Amino acid sequence: SQQGEEDPQALSIQEGENATMNCSYKTSINNLQWYRQNSGRGLVHLILIRSNEREKHSGRLRVTLDTSKKSSSLLITASRAADTASYFCATGESNDYKLSFGAGTTVTVRA
Amino acid sequence: EAGVAQSPRYKIIEKRQSVAFWCNPISGHATLYWYQQILGQGPKLLIQFQNNGVVDDSQLPKDRFSAERLKGVDSTLKIQPAKLEDSAVYLCASSLRDPGKGYEQYFGPGTRLTVT
Repeated sequence: SQQGEEDPQALSIQEGENATMNCSYKTSINNLQWYRQNSGRGLVHLILIRSNEREKHSGRLRVTLDTSKKSSSLLITASRAADTASYFCATGESNDYKLSFGAGTTVTVRA
Repeated sequence: EAGVAQSPRYKIIEKRQSVAFWCNPISGHATLYWYQQILGQGPKLLIQFQNNGVVDDSQLPKDRFSAERLKGVDSTLKIQPAKLEDSAVYLCASSLRDPGKGYEQYFGPGTRLTVT
């Protein structure tokens, strides 16, 4: 069964706007990761946040983690057409390097 | 650095036939994963290898799916016989087993399987 659930399922925004998506999970985690998948391609790792961290930045990406609420958010600022993709959160529950993926948020950036 | 290689990229077979997928991970990556991704869903882990040993195959349908990683490098995933519900993208990923370098996984382009 999948650990994480992303919200919303789909998001459509104008180029230049910000996109925010959320991930909720059920059990304690070691780390949480976000991946991007462009149409018909494999997944690309975007960012990893450990359970003892609250916020992390990477370029136009900002990730927050609230372990008390078992939730995370991914913010993409100043979106571009190339950001059109599906975004997945994945939780690592222990040190065994295994990940559980959510169903993803599909983001469409309109020119 | 070369990425994770997978072949074939596409495969169409009839139900009850058999099929095999091949994966070559990033050089030096000890951990290898096979995922099944059904359209509209996130990837589901089928099996995880550490070198040539199985770490987790709890979600692998062992009556029809098998996987091996001989010599701890390349891996093969086989389905025999295939069912209609096996239509999916099969993703291979690899990672370093080094907490200091993070837990991120590197994915191949996947094999899209259609069972008719």
